[in-house]
Amino acid sequence: DAGITQSPRHKVTETGTPVTLRCHQTENHRYMYWYRQDPGHGLRLIHYSYGVKDTDKGEVSDGYSVSRSKTEDFLLTLESATSSQTSVYFCAISDTFSGGRGSNEQFFGPGTRLTVL
Amino acid sequence: KNEVEQSPQNLTAQEGEFITINCSYSVGISALHWLQQHPGGGIVSLFMLSSGKKKHGRLIATINIQEKHSSLHITASHPRDSAVYICAVKRQGAQKLVFGQGTRLTINP
Repeated sequence: DAGITQSPRHKVTETGTPVTLRCHQTENHRYMYWYRQDPGHGLRLIHYSYGVKDTDKGEVSDGYSVSRSKTEDFLLTLESATSSQTSVYFCAISDTFSGGRGSNEQFFGPGTRLTVL
Repeated sequence: KNEVEQSPQNLTAQEGEFITINCSYSVGISALHWLQQHPGGGIVSLFMLSSGKKKHGRLIATINIQEKHSSLHITASHPRDSAVYICAVKRQGAQKLVFGQGTRLTINP
């Protein structure tokens, strides 16, 4: 299994509080992604990173920010959590040659279940 | 309309049945992925296709690039195959994947 961990694995918080989720990899992969998974929507990309300090928005980036100061760590921050951000969050990694050039095979972390009350 | 559509959304079958899950997409792609998500939540990659067919054990994945369609087949299905199966495509020239909504498969003993 690819070395990807997420912390915390479960979190319950209150509306308006800041929350930071951490993704850590030991594979030295260039690309890292944050997704959220909700019933009826499948996996949706929040933000991704294509290198240290290089990040870009995904399709559902409002209310989220990210940082990547080291290759191995990708942080997702909810500046002021809302109930609509209750979800399961997955981190994934890939490299230019993951699965063969041009295929972008991604390896997923175990997920973080976040509940915003 | 979603760029990646899967059917059916839910499928229940008896152990031993032959299973087919379909994925249609509307964009040009360089690769298509089939992923499996078990009830515990973990997501693993099953197949990656850019043409033709791939087989791994009882699982077979096919893709028809001209028709923009892929199928995932499971032969001699077993209760341990119960999971959500997710199709994802990598658009040509893009790094990101676009995911279907998933097909929830339940195999009863």
